Amino acid sequence: KAGVTQTPRYLIKTRGQQVTLSCSPISGHRSVSWYQQTPGQGLQFLFEYFSETQRNKGNFPGRFSGRQFSNSRSEMNVSTLELGDSALYLCASSLGGQGDAYGYTFGSGTRLTVV
Amino acid sequence: AQSVSQHNHHVILSEAASLELGCNYSYGGTVNLFWYVQYPGQHLQLLLKYFSGDPLVKGIKGFEAEFIKSKFSFNLRKPSVQWSDTAEYFCAVNARTGGFKTIFGAGTRLFVKA
Repeated sequence: KAGVTQTPRYLIKTRGQQVTLSCSPISGHRSVSWYQQTPGQGLQFLFEYFSETQRNKGNFPGRFSGRQFSNSRSEMNVSTLELGDSALYLCASSLGGQGDAYGYTFGSGTRLTVV
Repeated sequence: AQSVSQHNHHVILSEAASLELGCNYSYGGTVNLFWYVQYPGQHLQLLLKYFSGDPLVKGIKGFEAEFIKSKFSFNLRKPSVQWSDTAEYFCAVNARTGGFKTIFGAGTRLFVKA
């Protein structure tokens, strides 16, 4: 079965712009979680969506938002980009969402560079 | 707040050496525990997981981990590493705090010398 697909793979944006990243989970997985990965901070939890509802949210400013569609595909949006938003954004899908014991399947990530 | 600590940020070993990577978490309730691995140029993948039963769990590629509840630890081990084990390893904990957020440790970079 197809893995987790994230698009685009690479993005270069200018400070102040906004960006939308997309994630298609594994077929049958209803939960999508987003993480920001940076060399200094590791993986930081952004939010989790399950059946189109945001179930969990990390400690990121309101500039970071997301949504999930009825087919479980998810998007995350970052508005008013800052240099510090440069990172690898990872999408992870799972069967039952946070708390399930099966673990995540990760996508390859979107590498965002803000200049 | 829930947290995960990985003791070593960088580890260098020679092939055939034994490996133990430490992981401690802070949460007093029921947890699910995971180790993920990220090989160079590849995406994160699940190495092994614990949610109940035998505290010694075995994963792919000869890795195992032991859950010691009294020590809040979930250390990763491998008796004899190979050059191909060079990767970054992340410990993760999933606990019922604020709705079962999965929290990751900062990661340990392992370099195995051939």
